[in-house]
Amino acid sequence: NAGVTQTPKFRVLKTGQSMTLLCAQDMNHEYMYWYRQDPGMGLRLIHYSVGEGTTAKGEVPDGYNVSRLKKQNFLLGLESAAPSQTSVYFCASSRDRVETQYFGPGTRLLVL
Amino acid sequence: SQKIEQNSEALNIQEGKTATLTCNYTNYSPAYLQWYRQDPGRGPVFLLLIRENEKEKRKERLKVTFDTTLKQSLFHITASQPADSATYLCALRGGSTLGRLYFGRGTQLTVWP
Repeated sequence: NAGVTQTPKFRVLKTGQSMTLLCAQDMNHEYMYWYRQDPGMGLRLIHYSVGEGTTAKGEVPDGYNVSRLKKQNFLLGLESAAPSQTSVYFCASSRDRVETQYFGPGTRLLVL
Repeated sequence: SQKIEQNSEALNIQEGKTATLTCNYTNYSPAYLQWYRQDPGRGPVFLLLIRENEKEKRKERLKVTFDTTLKQSLFHITASQPADSATYLCALRGGSTLGRLYFGRGTQLTVWP
């Protein structure tokens, strides 16, 4: 049981470049989430999904898109990266809306 | 808008003492509150959940209280150890918000020998 995995672990982008962060979970969880964590800001929800084929906006969705084509995967895309998107990105999953969230190890993104 | 405040950014205590971390919230009526632990370079790990109708929850050396009148949760670690050094996050979820948690900024706890 790998839990929640994220790829890549670290990435450097130039302004304007695009990339996709992949999150995978093997716990058969319905709910999946993408957060960003910045110093002094805490974890902020970017987008989330309540099931395969669904997505919804969180607190800070601008500049990001997501897709949940398979239940076990949740992709976060940056179409045109900006320095303000330099952050640590965490994916999480939960069985339902009440259950605790299980987090991945994070992806560190640096946008130059 | 909702606001969650954790008492301080850093807390330093001696091994064996009880660490008490505070989480205060405003403009919010959470259905439940969770506490997570986060080690440097890693994702948060769930510790305890307490519901709005519960006053206290315990797990081994951990204890959480929830006072909806004061809009406050206290997180206690008794007989603290250097291995308890980490950042502790509180998170709240309202009854009507589908799975969304709102996190505090965290308190960095250091337990020195």
